[in-house]
Amino acid sequence: EPEVTQTPSHQVTQMGQEVILRCVPISNHLYFYWYRQILGQKVEFLVSFYNNEISEKSEIFDDQFSVERPDGSNFTLKIRSTKLEDSAMYFCASQRESYNEQFFGPGTRLTVL
Amino acid sequence: GQNIDQPTEMTATEGAIVQINCTYQTSGFNGLFWYQQHAGEAPTFLSYNVLDGLEEKGRFSSFLSRSKGYSYLLLKELQMKDSASYLCAVTLNTGGFKTIFGAGTRLFVKA
Repeated sequence: EPEVTQTPSHQVTQMGQEVILRCVPISNHLYFYWYRQILGQKVEFLVSFYNNEISEKSEIFDDQFSVERPDGSNFTLKIRSTKLEDSAMYFCASQRESYNEQFFGPGTRLTVL
Repeated sequence: GQNIDQPTEMTATEGAIVQINCTYQTSGFNGLFWYQQHAGEAPTFLSYNVLDGLEEKGRFSSFLSRSKGYSYLLLKELQMKDSASYLCAVTLNTGGFKTIFGAGTRLFVKA
């Protein structure tokens, strides 16, 4: 059964450093999402991506964040200058159509020291 | 603003039935998801409702009333492994595509 994969599973970084989180969505899916979940809190929408451009973004997704789909398979989230409060689990999700199930990847746990 | 409310915690007994409610106030409603999330893991899909009514899937059913901004997830024949958080999420179409989650309901199933 196809699945969404994410790398790395855990990333530790120093405050102010750049990180890139990687996701490989399911191959015939068209809609892609990044979410984050701070420990003990709810899943928060960051950004959606469709047709090679951002569809919607949240207030959290400021200039420090960017997304790319550089090669038609990978979907990346970059945080330019990490802050302590960026420590969270980051989930990627993909969806065949906008009215279908979103499949979540296993997540990347980001720890900012 | 966009808001989703669900109870923080519920406890039920193995073999019983439990109903987890969700109310929402949103604009641009497209549909409503229910996800299950075990601690430290990713959410896994349970159901998706677009139209009013009941959707049944094995031990799980989900109901939606768009006019009331209300949904519930019904779990039958509870098993210990059903102990998890249950997340209500609304998909919005406000020009772009967005999904917002409630804080989740932690369900404890006891023997």
